[in-house]
Amino acid sequence: NAGVTQTPKFRILKIGQSMTLQCTQDMNHNYMYWYRQDPGMGLKLIYYSVGAGITDKGEVPNGYNVSRSTTEDFPLRLELAAPSQTSVYFCASSYFGTGYSYEQYFGPGTRLTVT
Amino acid sequence: AQRVTQPEKLLSVFKGAPVELKCNYSYSGSPELFWYVQYSRQRLQLLLRHISRESIKGFTADLNKGETSFHLKKPFAQEEDSAMYYCALPFANDYKLSFGAGTTVTVRA
Repeated sequence: NAGVTQTPKFRILKIGQSMTLQCTQDMNHNYMYWYRQDPGMGLKLIYYSVGAGITDKGEVPNGYNVSRSTTEDFPLRLELAAPSQTSVYFCASSYFGTGYSYEQYFGPGTRLTVT
Repeated sequence: AQRVTQPEKLLSVFKGAPVELKCNYSYSGSPELFWYVQYSRQRLQLLLRHISRESIKGFTADLNKGETSFHLKKPFAQEEDSAMYYCALPFANDYKLSFGAGTTVTVRA
């Protein structure tokens, strides 16, 4: 299993541009998450999803959108990029159900710079 | 409301010295607590969870319900332990994890 994969690894955007960060997991996890990690700071939850077609806001959703059309994929869309969105973005997944664990599995991250 | 506090943002120790990372939590019920580690420019990965009571890479963590703490300890730090460490626990009646702010550990030769 590849686990959680993210593309791209790095990206530089100009202010006002848009982009989509891709996230895919092959563990058949029902729950998926997007976090941002600012330099020297902890993780903040942007959006999460409990299954295909269901998404909800986390702590810092402004400026982002998500969709979950399949169990495997959970793309994060940045509209009108701003310097404040310069960060490292992590996607994660977990399984919640019978015999569940709260453990989350993380992708390698996307390092985004907005200038 | 559940909350995870890691009071130390930075921790610097010499190689071979003991290291202890503090984690305090507030939670109603019996939480499942985790320590995650992030080595330089890598993904977060699970280091250990309290329910398994295991020692990973020489690290242990004991859940102290009386003090609501889940401190991470290693008796002899190694240079490869330099990383960022996050304590985490689930939101009450929820599947999302609440992460502490993280502690960056630097082990000096």
